[in-house]
Amino acid sequence: DGGITQSPKYLFRKEGQNVTLSCEQNLNHDAMYWYRQDPGQGLRLIYYSQIVNDFQKGDIAEGYSVSREKKESFPLTVTSAQKNPTAFYLCASSISGTRTEKLFFGSGTQLSVL
Amino acid sequence: GQQLNQSPQSMFIQEGEDVSMNCTSSSIFNTWLWYKQDPGEGPVLLIALYKAGELTSNGRLTAQFGITRKDSFLNISASIPSDVGIYFCAGHSSNDYKLSFGAGTTVTVRA
Repeated sequence: DGGITQSPKYLFRKEGQNVTLSCEQNLNHDAMYWYRQDPGQGLRLIYYSQIVNDFQKGDIAEGYSVSREKKESFPLTVTSAQKNPTAFYLCASSISGTRTEKLFFGSGTQLSVL
Repeated sequence: GQQLNQSPQSMFIQEGEDVSMNCTSSSIFNTWLWYKQDPGEGPVLLIALYKAGELTSNGRLTAQFGITRKDSFLNISASIPSDVGIYFCAGHSSNDYKLSFGAGTTVTVRA
């Protein structure tokens, strides 16, 4: 079954700790994205990558970092610099990064602060 | 991306009712997408629209790409309990290839 797998489903972060959220896709899509979702708000773009070894900042990149060493994988690290990390994080992919692309989403990771 | 204005913010439905929601933008869009999100899950694509005036159905769902290219509408006919969830509009503007999202419409079943 093709799709996007996010793990873990729930994650807790201690003060000053970096945590990494995993995102893997087997859709053979070139482009991958990370979004943050807060209650009652739309999805906000954190980072995106259109091709392996390249990624761009989205609208709210501060306090986050990513890597794209493999086409299938796009992990997101929430660093200690992100002072309000509690949110639902969604990974998505699309065939490429063109204007008419549909995004396909994973099932999300809920990050909470201890 | 820019923020889209989606309304209503929330609605209560009774089984069998038809419901409507819409999304507007301040700039011209080339693509409109409608997603549904169940609690604790990722959004699932319902309908994609690519041309002004386009009307597309997916079962009991119908969506339209507005003639002005600055709005889109989603209608759900004869609603059923599993229609509850959050519905998001999204789109690409002509000057920003990144997808913009509305804040969502929360649909709840009226007791």
